[in-house]
Amino acid sequence: AQKITQTQPGMFVQEKEAVTLDCTYDTSDQSYGLFWYKQPSSGEMIFLIYQGSYDEQNATEGRYSLNFQKARKSANLVISASQLGDSAMYFCALRNSGYSTLTFGKGTMLLVSP
Amino acid sequence: GAVVSQHPSRVICKSGTSVKIECRSLDFQATTMFWYRQFPKQSLMLMATSNEGSKATYEQGVEKDKFLINHASLTLSTLTVTSAHPEDSSFYICSARGGGGREQYFGPGTRLTVT
Repeated sequence: AQKITQTQPGMFVQEKEAVTLDCTYDTSDQSYGLFWYKQPSSGEMIFLIYQGSYDEQNATEGRYSLNFQKARKSANLVISASQLGDSAMYFCALRNSGYSTLTFGKGTMLLVSP
Repeated sequence: GAVVSQHPSRVICKSGTSVKIECRSLDFQATTMFWYRQFPKQSLMLMATSNEGSKATYEQGVEKDKFLINHASLTLSTLTVTSAHPEDSSFYICSARGGGGREQYFGPGTRLTVT
């Protein structure tokens, strides 16, 4: 069975600072994918970044980067230069091999202050 | 990225009635669609997976006779909540994936309130 753990219910960061949101996972599959989504108060799920289990480089997408440590089974999201618009709920998700379903963590609420 | 729409965005219905939620992929063919449910301040819980032209696969604990899913075409899936009760009030989100695709594209969600 797959499991995603996000241990930070809430995080606070000041504008322009960097913040790391933690995510650990558990799977018995060798091939899997890790996703991060942002959910603002409007409810839509916004895809941020993807890391495949065989990707050698850490994924980056603009201000978002994924600190992937396979041996530790962690896939932390790093947001650089935080903006007020980054305030939202952030979910880490795991998809195992075969492009099947996503398993979501409980989420971390990020609040960015001026 | 690909666009997925949901309709309606909000719906209020009386207890005992049924409500239908539509999920459409606007610019790609969705071979697989997923329906999630999200209670306030909680994570997304997968309800069911549907492949075009076949019966949906429901997750454990989800009543298939209560939550009817139809995926009749490659661009449309519907979720019908039958005989709705106040405890069915929730945020329902669909997502869609094209054939061989890696990503799931999420709809904007539907907030259901049962009075």
